[in-house]
Amino acid sequence: DIQMTQSPSSLSAYVGDRVTITCRASQGISNYLAWFQQKPGKAPKPLIYAASSLQSGVPSKFSGSGSGTDFTLTISSLQPEDFATYYCQQYNSYPLTFGPGTKVDIK
Amino acid sequence: EVQLVESGGGLVQPGGSLRLSCAASGFTFSRYSMDWVRQTPGKGLEWVSYITSDSSTISYADSVKGRFTVSRDNARNSLYLQLSSLRAEDTAVYYCARRAYGSGTYYNFHDYWGQGTLVTVSS
Repeated sequence: DIQMTQSPSSLSAYVGDRVTITCRASQGISNYLAWFQQKPGKAPKPLIYAASSLQSGVPSKFSGSGSGTDFTLTISSLQPEDFATYYCQQYNSYPLTFGPGTKVDIK
Repeated sequence: EVQLVESGGGLVQPGGSLRLSCAASGFTFSRYSMDWVRQTPGKGLEWVSYITSDSSTISYADSVKGRFTVSRDNARNSLYLQLSSLRAEDTAVYYCARRAYGSGTYYNFHDYWGQGTLVTVSS
């Protein structure tokens, strides 16, 4: 199975900050990587697919990059509604696997 | 508007069974492959099962293989997950998720998720 890791596991930031989250795959997955946002008690919300493509309706303050084993999610200017947990997921091979999440909270 | 609504969760004893449903609306259900994904506080998000639009291809995580069965009824716009021989470690919120339209690895990502249904396995 492909193992996904994320760093940091949590971070505190101010409104308006630029935030970057890193995701690493245990083996190469090309660009078959997705990012999700999850708020407490809610389902994961898809943000990005193919490492850098925004899902429909997702604001452009979210961006993704990377290929192979190393990926990043960047939020350009953090807003109150962005405080949540973010997960990466690889869909290069079965079983589909998820990172452990990065919790972003208010500083 | 695309909607996925799970139901059927609840409290069940170890060794018991449960059938989860996912009612789809707002899109042509018969054209899309679907997944079940579960989430626990301890293990995080875990992919459970996959079924193609025509049910021709089905796959399972090793942790549920032989115990869970995925199926769908395209006439009823519904996806199902039959859970059997349940264990405490199957306790989780179960989500159904829609795959992007298309075939091949590029389309293996999810574009919509349901709100989830909680399964608790306990005596």
